[in-house]
Formats: sequence, C-alpha cells, structure tokens
Amino acid sequence: DIQMTQSPSSLSASVGDTVTITCRASQSISGYLNWYQQQPGKAPKVLIYTASSLHSGVPSRFSGGGSGTDFALTINSLQPEDFATYYCQQSYSTPYTFGQGTKLEIK
Amino acid sequence: QVQLVESAGGVVQPGRSLRLSCGASGFIFSDFAMHWVRQAPGKGLEWVAVISYDGTNKLYADSVKGRFSISRDDSKNTLFLQMNSLKIEDTAVYYCARDEKYKGNSIDIWGQGTMVTVSS
Repeated sequence: DIQMTQSPSSLSASVGDTVTITCRASQSISGYLNWYQQQPGKAPKVLIYTASSLHSGVPSRFSGGGSGTDFALTINSLQPEDFATYYCQQSYSTPYTFGQGTKLEIK
Repeated sequence: QVQLVESAGGVVQPGRSLRLSCGASGFIFSDFAMHWVRQAPGKGLEWVAVISYDGTNKLYADSVKGRFSISRDDSKNTLFLQMNSLKIEDTAVYYCARDEKYKGNSIDIWGQGTMVTVSS
C-alpha cells in the first residue's frame, strides 16, 4: 500500500497569512494527488485534484503543486472559513490512502 | 441538485451485521464509480471500498476485506455496504462518495455521513 505522510500535523496561523501543507507519498503516484478540506462535523470537500487542478467553486487562493512523491497545498491570504482540517489522498492505486490530516487553527 | 444521502447507521454488537445504503440523486448514477470512506471518532479519513460504474469491479481496504461487501442497484440509484463480523474498531462515521474519473478519480461528492457504533 502507498503511505501518505502530511506535515505538519497542526498549524497555527492568522487571517491574511499564507500557509503551505506538504504531503509525501511512499512511492511515485505521478500526479494522482487530491486535497480535501473538512470542517468539524461535516463531510470533506475536494479542493484540488490531480495535484494542481482547482475544483469548481473553490477560491483561487487555494493552489496545489508537485508530482511523483512530493506535493504541497498552499493557501494564500487565509480567510476565517479556511480554518479546518486538510487531507491529501492518492488516487493512483487502491487502497486510495489518505494522509493523516493537518489541522489549521487560528493563532 | 447532486446529492448523496446515507441511511441511518446505528449501534450494533461485535460480531453482528449491518447494511448501509446511500441514495443518489441529481446525476446519472450508473455512470460513476462509488466509494465508501470512514472516519473513526477524532481520527482521520480511511478509504474502505470502491465499486466500478458497472458493478463488475470491487476493491476493499485490507482492514475490511472478507467482512464488508460493496454493491449497487442502478435501477434504484442506490449504493450499499454490507458489513459483517463487525469489530469495535469499525466504529466510525461512514461516508458514501462519488468518484470523478475525469478528475483523477478524486472524490467530488460526499454524503453527509452516518454513524456506526460497534459496542457490546
């Protein structure tokens, strides 16, 4: 199975800051990397698919990059609604493993 | 409106069975592969199973292989998860979700989730 490792596990930031979350796969997954946002008590929502493509309706302050084994999610100019938990997921091969999550908190 | 709605979960004893269902609306259900993903209380997301758009391919996480079975009824736009020999560690919120094959097999639509508690 492909292991997905996110860092950091938690992050404190202020409104207006720019933050980056990284995700590393245990083997190459080409560009089959997706990012999700989950608010407490809610279902996840897709933000980015295939490493860098923005899902429809997602604000442009979210961006993704990377290929192979190393990927990143960047959020520019943090808004209050961005404080949530973020997960990466590989869809290269089953089982479609998720990272352990990064909790983004308000400083 | 594209929507997935899971049936109510519940409390079940270890070793017993439970079947979850998920109704789809607002899209052509038979065109899409479908997943189940779960989340134990306070924990991260765990992929459980996927079924191909035509029901011919079914794949499972090792943690549920041989105990859980995913299926679909396209005539009723419904996805199922049959869970047998339940263990305490199967306690989680279970989400049904749609696979978007044109977007790298990302999961683009999620149900609201249903809680399954395995406890004696």
